[in-house]
Amino acid sequence: SSELTQDPVVSVALGQTVRITCQGDSLRTYFATWYQQQKPGQTPVLLIYGENIRPSGIPERFSGSISGTTASLTITGAQAEDEADYYCNSRDNSGNVIFGGGTKLTVL
Amino acid sequence: QVRLQESGPGLVKPSQTLSLTCTVSGASISSPNYYWGWIRQPPGKGLEWIGSFYHGVTTYYNPSLKSRVTISVDKSKNQFSLELNSMTATDTAVYFCARQPIEVVSLHFDSWGQGTLVTVSS
Repeated sequence: SSELTQDPVVSVALGQTVRITCQGDSLRTYFATWYQQQKPGQTPVLLIYGENIRPSGIPERFSGSISGTTASLTITGAQAEDEADYYCNSRDNSGNVIFGGGTKLTVL
Repeated sequence: QVRLQESGPGLVKPSQTLSLTCTVSGASISSPNYYWGWIRQPPGKGLEWIGSFYHGVTTYYNPSLKSRVTISVDKSKNQFSLELNSMTATDTAVYFCARQPIEVVSLHFDSWGQGTLVTVSS
């Protein structure tokens, strides 16, 4: 498969833990990267890349993991400001750059 | 601190060619440590990689857009440009330029421009 599949909508209660997933065959070979986009059209923010690496300034409540062909972004103790769109990013089996379709996270 | 800034027309007529420029400051587009690329986002839709270049020499394009895309480089101005021909309404999108550290297995874009909205309409 040359796609990354994400659930379109996920919700979480304030302060609870939520997992956003990204499924793709190429994730057996390549890491998934995660971005947060506060509003469509705004600049995405790099959250997680490689083996669970957080760039400077990204809160510790964001973490990444992989199991087989499914990568996960976990937010431990979701905050109101975490309500946003989340995109995974990796390569397909030909090495081309691909993005998942995005997950809209609602914090209740 | 690296900064990327897109520039170009906000409105393009159908069948015409889009030309956008990304001006980079705080880093050299000739650096062997980075790719530089274009990504777009149609209204209400997800992110789509358009293409990237490396070291001002090698270019890589999304197979679905390859026949219509050209990325070129002006090292003297530290700029790179996107040309997308035969524009249609489906090419209406926010276009971002971004920097991609040269890592094969852990691909990521670590710096982005603010994006520029391009509308295709007569």
